[in-house]
Amino acid sequence: AQSVTQPDIHITVSEGASLELRCNYSYGATPYLFWYVQSPGQGLQLLLKYFSGDTLVQGIKGFEAEFKRSQSSFNLRKPSVHWSDAAEYFCAVGTPNTGNQFYFGTGTSLTVIP
Amino acid sequence: ETGVTQSPTHLIKTRGQQVTLRCSSQSGHNTVSWYQQALGQGPQFIFQYYREEENGRGNFPPRFSGLQFPNYSSELNVNALELDDSALYLCASSLGTSSGGRNTQYFGPGTRLTVL
Repeated sequence: AQSVTQPDIHITVSEGASLELRCNYSYGATPYLFWYVQSPGQGLQLLLKYFSGDTLVQGIKGFEAEFKRSQSSFNLRKPSVHWSDAAEYFCAVGTPNTGNQFYFGTGTSLTVIP
Repeated sequence: ETGVTQSPTHLIKTRGQQVTLRCSSQSGHNTVSWYQQALGQGPQFIFQYYREEENGRGNFPPRFSGLQFPNYSSELNVNALELDDSALYLCASSLGTSSGGRNTQYFGPGTRLTVL
């Protein structure tokens, strides 16, 4: 069965520092990969997605993610974190064999300190 | 263009009761998916509706049921509530349906259900 692992439950970074959130998936072929952000009281907002092609994907709010097939990873990065980036981040996987179902990771909570 | 809206925002029920949650999809979207997000967990797929028909279901018992209306709004019904049903219920709309979720899903703010 497909699964998504986000190894870091909680990360704290200083404002202006770089950020990397890890995501690993389990699937035999190349899945469809997504990163969502959830702020308190808000729904999930799509940051970026990868289906095929260039393995470095640019998203909104200055985020990017890199698909690495050899490591089954899709890590999210941002060069300089802003205080407003504090939120919960979810990696999600969709596959051609699972119809319309998404599999979400358990999330990484990001705290930004001034 | 209006986004996805959900009602109510919060709801408190007792064990054994029934609940109905509502979702209005984003303008022009004909597909609605429902997710359950327990505290500290990622969302789990309940089911999806496309053109008023169920179009995929996750690992949830039959007491979780749904409807989609001609205007593409949707309801999630849960019968015989259990304590473990306490969660944030998220609705997401998209245009069309495709394998693996290639169509971007837009999420509502959710309904927080507490079962006592």
